[in-house]
Amino acid sequence: GAGVSQSPSNKVTEKGKDVELRCDPISGHTALYWYRQSLGQGLEFLIYFQGNSAPDKSGLPSDRFSAERTGGSVSTLTIQRTQQEDSAVYLCASSLAGPADTQYFGPGTRLTVL
Amino acid sequence: RKEVEQDPGPFNVPEGATVAFNCTYSNSASQSFFWYRQDCRKEPKLLMSVYSSGNEDGRFTAQLNRASQYISLLIRDSKLSDSATYLCVVNDPGFQKLVFGTGTRLLVSP
Repeated sequence: GAGVSQSPSNKVTEKGKDVELRCDPISGHTALYWYRQSLGQGLEFLIYFQGNSAPDKSGLPSDRFSAERTGGSVSTLTIQRTQQEDSAVYLCASSLAGPADTQYFGPGTRLTVL
Repeated sequence: RKEVEQDPGPFNVPEGATVAFNCTYSNSASQSFFWYRQDCRKEPKLLMSVYSSGNEDGRFTAQLNRASQYISLLIRDSKLSDSATYLCVVNDPGFQKLVFGTGTRLLVSP
């Protein structure tokens, strides 16, 4: 079946511009997560959506970062006024029920801020 | 102390060797444990869950030691295709999320 998909696969932007990253989770998965991974680093948790509950935003690094999940499915991560330190791979994952379940990752969006 | 700690490696081993990685975690209330594999410039993929009694999947064996709060992964008869970064993953029950270690890099050479 279809896995997690993300778009775009690569995004190059200029410092100060806003970007939107999209994630389509596996159909039927209620939980959706965003992480980012800088070169040679581990995964940094950003935000977690579970069903219709309020998202866990505890990992967002600043108020320039926001995310929404419409209709319990597709999610968009928005970064406003991008900075060079935002350059990273942004990974989306989904799981069937919650964090204790296996998370299936999308291929990621590689963001480069010039 | 980091929530999940791993030796970054790299571990350089010849084909056919047996190699073991350990991972320690700080939250004694954690209940779910996993090993993920990440190939270069690819997304992480689940390798195996780790069960209390230990579990095996082909050449891979995972063990959990709750008393010492560590998890291990043993790879027997290493293949070139096993070259990757292995991520130790533990749930954080207080915050309802998974915590990923920074990974241990394995390089298997001919």
